[in-house]
Amino acid sequence: DIVMTQSPDSLAVSLGERATIKCKSSQSVLYTNDKNYLAWYQQKAGQPPKLLIYWASTRESGVPDRFSGSGSGTDFSLTISSLQAEDVAVYYCQQYYDTTLTFGGGTKVEIK
Amino acid sequence: EVQLVESGGGLEQPGRSLRLSCTVSGFTFDDYALHWVRQGPGKGLEWVAGINWNSGAIGYVDSVKGRFTISRDNAKDSLYLQMNSLRAEDTGLYYCAKGIGRRHYSLSHAFDMWGQGTMVLVSS
Repeated sequence: DIVMTQSPDSLAVSLGERATIKCKSSQSVLYTNDKNYLAWYQQKAGQPPKLLIYWASTRESGVPDRFSGSGSGTDFSLTISSLQAEDVAVYYCQQYYDTTLTFGGGTKVEIK
Repeated sequence: EVQLVESGGGLEQPGRSLRLSCTVSGFTFDDYALHWVRQGPGKGLEWVAGINWNSGAIGYVDSVKGRFTISRDNAKDSLYLQMNSLRAEDTGLYYCAKGIGRRHYSLSHAFDMWGQGTMVLVSS
């Protein structure tokens, strides 16, 4: 199975500042169609996860453009360009390259 | 409005069985793959099982293979998870999630809609 490793486990960022979360896969999730099979989710307390980004960098409809995804192969990032109070949540990456789908362990984002 | 509503959770003893259901509305049920994802208390997300639009592709995480069975009834717009030989480590909130991508054969996709989940507690 592909192991997804996120870093850091948690981070505290001031309002309006940038937050960056890393995700590393144990093997490449770049397929022959030149797409990275990597998604990002946001989970607020007491709620189900919400899809933010898929294909590593495609923003889901309705997601604010302060959220962006980048990376290829095995190394990926989720960036929140200007942190808002409503962005406090746990963020997960997920690979869907392998037949066994796997998630990262999550990164908790808080306000400093 | 797209909705996925899970049911069937509860408290069950180790070794016993439970059947989870997920009923959906707001989209054409038989066009999309569906999955079960669980979250242990205070823990992260774990994909459990998935089934494509026509039941032609089915997958499970290793820890549930041979114990859990995912199925769907396209006539009833319903997804199921039959959980046998339950273990304490199966405890968690079980989410039903919809795959992006209409009529993809594989299970390789992100999840664009989630239910609120149904809680499963396995304990003696």
